[in-house]
Amino acid sequence: AQSVTQPDIHITVSEGASLELRCNYSYGATPYLFWYVQSPGQGLQLLLKYFSGDTLVQGIKGFEAEFKRSQSSFNLRKPSVHWSDAAEYFCAASSGNKLTFGGGTRVLVKP
Amino acid sequence: SAVISQKPSRDICQRGTSLTIQCQVDSQVTMMFWYRQQPGQSLTLIATANQGSEATYESGFVIDKFPISRPNLTFSTLTVSNMSPEDSSIYLCSVSNRSSVGEQYFGPGTRLTVT
Repeated sequence: AQSVTQPDIHITVSEGASLELRCNYSYGATPYLFWYVQSPGQGLQLLLKYFSGDTLVQGIKGFEAEFKRSQSSFNLRKPSVHWSDAAEYFCAASSGNKLTFGGGTRVLVKP
Repeated sequence: SAVISQKPSRDICQRGTSLTIQCQVDSQVTMMFWYRQQPGQSLTLIATANQGSEATYESGFVIDKFPISRPNLTFSTLTVSNMSPEDSSIYLCSVSNRSSVGEQYFGPGTRLTVT
């Protein structure tokens, strides 16, 4: 069965420090990959997406993600987090018109 | 990307009643979807809203409980029927014009509490 796994339920990071969120997928073929962010009380905002080509993709708000086929991973990174990055982050995958979401990682930012 | 609005943004309802949630997009879109996000959980797809025909429901969701309409390419409604406290969730609609790659954009959600 197709699945997306985010191993970390919570991550706490200091403001200004780097952030990396892990995402692994299990699909028959390489799916299309996405990262979304959900701020408190908000809907989901698309941060970035990977369809093909360059394995390092740039997104909004200073985020980037790297696709690694050998590890079935699509990890999200940010070099320096801001207090406003505190939110829930969801990795998602599709092989067609349906998205499968990971369980989410809640990011807390310490002053 | 499209601007998506949902009404109501939140509601508190009594068990046994029904609530209809509206999703409006500012431009025509190919596909519209409805998701449920239970407290502290990830998103689960309820159904794909098809324009001019019956919605396509995912396993575990049925039309009698979650009737969906999509009268045109910019509007859809989801009704949560005969509500119980277990229906307390955030309900989100999403839209896509690139259905073949699964790229979707989400509305702000409707937070439903059933007492």
